[in-house]
Amino acid sequence: GAGVSQSPRYKVAKRGQDVALRCDPISGHVSLFWYQQALGQGPEFLTYFQNEAQLDKSGLPSDRFFAERPEGSVSTLKIQRTQQEDSAVYLCASSLTGMNTEAFFGQGTRLTVV
Amino acid sequence: AQTVTQSQPEMSVQEAETVTLSCTYDTSESNYYLFWYKQPPSRQMILVIRQEAYKQQNATENRFSVNFQKAAKSFSLKISDSQLGDTAMYFCAFLRGRGSGSRLTFGEGTQLTVNP
Repeated sequence: GAGVSQSPRYKVAKRGQDVALRCDPISGHVSLFWYQQALGQGPEFLTYFQNEAQLDKSGLPSDRFFAERPEGSVSTLKIQRTQQEDSAVYLCASSLTGMNTEAFFGQGTRLTVV
Repeated sequence: AQTVTQSQPEMSVQEAETVTLSCTYDTSESNYYLFWYKQPPSRQMILVIRQEAYKQQNATENRFSVNFQKAAKSFSLKISDSQLGDTAMYFCAFLRGRGSGSRLTFGEGTQLTVNP
């Protein structure tokens, strides 16, 4: 596609619900990153994929967070039993190789847990 | 671990004037990259300018330029001839130079407002 696409753009979840956030990277991009951006803060790294392999998940804040990229293209970030502190913008970025090449960001999903 | 600090939460400038946003970082790496990203209300991060640490020459992109002081670990962004469309959140970011999948470390951001 022309750019990184994320859906939904907005998601409101009741506390305790499970949510799934989708990221469609730029076609052919090997690397895919997820970041979490709290209100008024800079983005913070969550996890990294190279093709279908999740090579780094050190930024995931708890075992309620799970990400996958089964065919090396579309990725899903799943949050189980959402809590209020999970409210944030979730940004996805992709890059051609990940070796210091430019990362292109999507517009993010704003998750609000009520 | 790397840290990036932006000490100016908010800045404002008059249209057509020049403004400088500050950024300092801390790292033990010798090979790295520094970036300035712009995030308008649409939330999409847009790359403004990039600097390789091994290059002594400061990067320039049209109205945007940086002052990269490696010894001081300082990386400021200068915006000349400010335009209303420059109004956005600006983030300084660090990328380690070695290894694939190196994640970006962002500062806290500076909200820039360009006034007509």
